[in-house]
Amino acid sequence: AQSVAQPEDQVNVAEGNPLTVKCTYSVSGNPYLFWYVQYPNRGLQFLLKYITGDNLVKGSYGFEAEFNKSQTSFHLKKPSALVSDSALYFCAVRDDLFGAGKSTFGDGTTLTVKP
Amino acid sequence: GAVVSQHPSWVICKSGTSVKIECRSLDFQATTMFWYRQFPKQSLMLMATSNEGSKATYEQGVEKDKFLINHASLTLSTLTVTSAHPEDSSFYICSARGRDITYNEQFFGPGTRLTVL
Repeated sequence: AQSVAQPEDQVNVAEGNPLTVKCTYSVSGNPYLFWYVQYPNRGLQFLLKYITGDNLVKGSYGFEAEFNKSQTSFHLKKPSALVSDSALYFCAVRDDLFGAGKSTFGDGTTLTVKP
Repeated sequence: GAVVSQHPSWVICKSGTSVKIECRSLDFQATTMFWYRQFPKQSLMLMATSNEGSKATYEQGVEKDKFLINHASLTLSTLTVTSAHPEDSSFYICSARGRDITYNEQFFGPGTRLTVL
């Protein structure tokens, strides 16, 4: 079984400040981790993923995430937040990359960036 | 990146009618498609997984006779909500996964907002 926890329903930051959206996971095998962003009434857009290799993953729109195996975390970060980053963010995990594995999504975190 | 489209983007229907939602992969072959349901400010709930040419696998608690899924080709999957009722009102999102470089990623459609009166 696999699971994802996003402990914060809401994250508020001021524009220009760094932001962090937290994610922890649980899988029985190797974790394959993803971050998606969703704008109102839209589908999910892929931001970044960790498959293997460097623990620090860089993605779209200046976002990055750090894979920490010992803490089973994959927090999303951005050095300087923009108002346009305000959206709903989902973390997802799979333990089967090449088979019929399904992604498990966290409950989502609403990020609000204030001017 | 790979593009997934959904049609319609929104639909309003009367209770008791059936509604069909289309999901297309525009520039890749989708060997697997996923259908999700999302309630306001909530996460995605996986409804079913379909592989091209075979029957869909439904998640526990999802009525397969109510939510008919067809994945007839490598670029098209449809979700038909039969005899829709107000409690079926939701945001439905499809996602597709394909071969080659797209295999380890899911690409999401823009979603379909269904409102049943």
